[in-house]
Amino acid sequence: KAGVTQTPRYLIKTRGQQVTLSCSPISGHRSVSWYQQTPGQGLQFLFEYFSETQRNKGNFPGRFSGRQFSNSRSEMNVSTLELGDSALYLCASSLGVRGETQYFGPGTRLLVL
Amino acid sequence: QQQVKQSPQSLIVQKGGISIINCAYENTAFDYFPWYQQFPGKGPALLIAIRPDVSEKKEGRFTISFNKSAKQFSLHIMDSQPGDSATYFCAASTRRSGAGSYQLTFGKGTKLSVIP
Repeated sequence: KAGVTQTPRYLIKTRGQQVTLSCSPISGHRSVSWYQQTPGQGLQFLFEYFSETQRNKGNFPGRFSGRQFSNSRSEMNVSTLELGDSALYLCASSLGVRGETQYFGPGTRLLVL
Repeated sequence: QQQVKQSPQSLIVQKGGISIINCAYENTAFDYFPWYQQFPGKGPALLIAIRPDVSEKKEGRFTISFNKSAKQFSLHIMDSQPGDSATYFCAASTRRSGAGSYQLTFGKGTKLSVIP
């Protein structure tokens, strides 16, 4: 089976812009979670989608949003980018039903200038 | 509030030695404890996981020891190899009541260097 794929792998944006990141889960996985990884804060949970519905949300401002499509692919959007949004954004997929085992993609490296 | 505390931050081990990484948690509702391995430029890869009804789980050279009463768990890497040099993260999760959602809470990570 193919693993979790994320596009793009690298992105450079300027403050105030918005960005959309994409994640394709492992085939058959219905849950997609997003995490932000920074050297200072480590890995932090953003939100989780299951069957096109946001099922759980972490402590991030409303500038961070996401959605999931009927084929389980997910997108994450960050509006009005700030310098502090520079991070590795990781997507993880799981079965979603008693599916606590999460498999991560390679991440999207976002740099905000 | 850091719910999973991981130590040490960095670890240097001789090839063939034992690497030990420790984690402690606060939330007694946690019921699933995975360890992830991350190489530079890659996403975290699941290494091994344990549930609190088991005190130890072994997979190859990797062993998780779990102490429920102390709310601590640790990763032991036997016969450490240079290829094991990576950052290791412990994590914990619990099923969010009514939602069926699992949210991973991670430790800060341990950078392991195995020297020849």
